[in-house]
Amino acid sequence: EPEVTQTPSHQVTQMGQEVILRCVPISNHLYFYWYRQILGQKVEFLVSFYNNEISEKSEIFDDQFSVERPDGSNFTLKIRSTKLEDSAMYFCASSEGLAGPTYEQYFGPGTRLTVT
Amino acid sequence: GQQVMQIPQYQHVQEGEDFTTYCNSSTTLSNIQWYKQRPGGHPVFLIQLVKSGEVKKQKRLTFQFGEAKKNSSLHITATQTTDVGTYFCAGEEDSSYKLIFGSGTRLLVRP
Repeated sequence: EPEVTQTPSHQVTQMGQEVILRCVPISNHLYFYWYRQILGQKVEFLVSFYNNEISEKSEIFDDQFSVERPDGSNFTLKIRSTKLEDSAMYFCASSEGLAGPTYEQYFGPGTRLTVT
Repeated sequence: GQQVMQIPQYQHVQEGEDFTTYCNSSTTLSNIQWYKQRPGGHPVFLIQLVKSGEVKKQKRLTFQFGEAKKNSSLHITATQTTDVGTYFCAGEEDSSYKLIFGSGTRLLVRP
C-alpha cells in the first residue's frame, strides 16, 4: 500500500538554526499538508499546498516557515530560525483530492523536532 | 477563529464496554473527519461525514454528524484492546482547506 514517508525521523537542532523537514507524498496525490503536534496535545494545521502554491495557512505558519516542492516527489517544510517552542512532531500528509472519498488524508510517520 | 472541542479527554473502560466521544465546533462545518492515533503513531483516517444528520458505520464503530453540522460523535460498541489510542475529530469550514483538529479523546481499555 502506498504511504507518505518523512525524513529524518528525529532532528535535534540548536535554537536559531534552520531546519528542513522532508516528505515524499503519495505519488498520485495533488494536495499536501503540514501539521504539528506538541507532545501530548492535539494535531495543529500549519499549511496546505496545491499546484505549487500555498492554499491556506494557519496563524502558526508565520514568516519563519516556508514550504516548497523542489521536484516532482519531495515536499519540504523549512523553519528559518528555530525557537524552543518549535519542538514538536511534524506530520506531512497528502490527499488525492478535496472532496468525497478522494479527500482522505494520509499522514506520514512524522519527524520529531527537538530544539535545544 | 474556529474551535473544535472534544469530550471526554480520557476514557478508561473495561474490555467489552461501549465508548463514545463527542465533538463540538464553534462554527458550522462543511464536513467532519475522524482519525485514530495509536500511542507513538501518526493519525490514521477513519471516516468523513458530509451530510447533515449523516450516520455511518464501520463494524463496531458508528459515526454521526449533527443536524446543524456543528457536532459529531463516535461510538464504539464492545471495545477491544486493539481500540486503544486517541480519537480525534477534525472539521473544515465551507470554502476552507484548513482542517481543525479537536483536542482528542484518549481511550484506554482494560483487558
